[in-house]
Amino acid sequence: QSALTQPASVSGSPGQSITISCTGTSSDVGAYNYVSWYQQHPGKAPKVLIYEVNNRPSGVSNRFSGSKSGNTASLTISGLQAEDEADYYCCSHTSSITWVFGGGTKLTVL
Amino acid sequence: QVQLVESGGGVVQPGRSLRLSCAASGFTFSGYSIQWVRQAPGRGLEWVAVVSNDGTIKYYADAVRGRFTISRDNSKNTVSLQMNSLTAEDAALYYCAREVGTTFLLDYWGQGTLVTVSS
Repeated sequence: QSALTQPASVSGSPGQSITISCTGTSSDVGAYNYVSWYQQHPGKAPKVLIYEVNNRPSGVSNRFSGSKSGNTASLTISGLQAEDEADYYCCSHTSSITWVFGGGTKLTVL
Repeated sequence: QVQLVESGGGVVQPGRSLRLSCAASGFTFSGYSIQWVRQAPGRGLEWVAVVSNDGTIKYYADAVRGRFTISRDNSKNTVSLQMNSLTAEDAALYYCAREVGTTFLLDYWGQGTLVTVSS
């Protein structure tokens, strides 16, 4: 199972919005509404931001939103803040009854 | 409060075995699936395996299937990951995480246990 494709890095200024893409295939992202997104700060365990494409767990800021079109899912962060600087990973269920992560995207807040 | 604590990591020679444990507390353990996710130094996250809440359903990533075995003991609130025939590609920080439902909503994670494979 190949990893989902994410941009290696994205950047934005405080207050701006950014979008991170996550491209898979018709056997994973395109086949299921089981895409989740995780944020990881250096030296810390990942934290879930989005599950089932566009659902936010309680306690997660509404500045984080998810969507999907075809084989590509997206995470949008609005009103960028300094603490948003972190690595972001998407994850999808696959037709092999497994899970696959994206390669990760490093977000820099300028 | 919900806690997951991994243990059992260490330095192991290629081809040898290691058994990781994940001890849970603060919630009804038998109500949740548990996932293992690993992260090689400086690399991204990689899904490893999952065991259902009752231990009857188990799935593995292609990279570990046939070498790793996941199991759980609901009487002791623990999940184990038996890792055999280890290679350098298995060296990573191994996290266990609680899954809500079956949609990969991993809401609580441990801090990880480090596995180093070296001769």
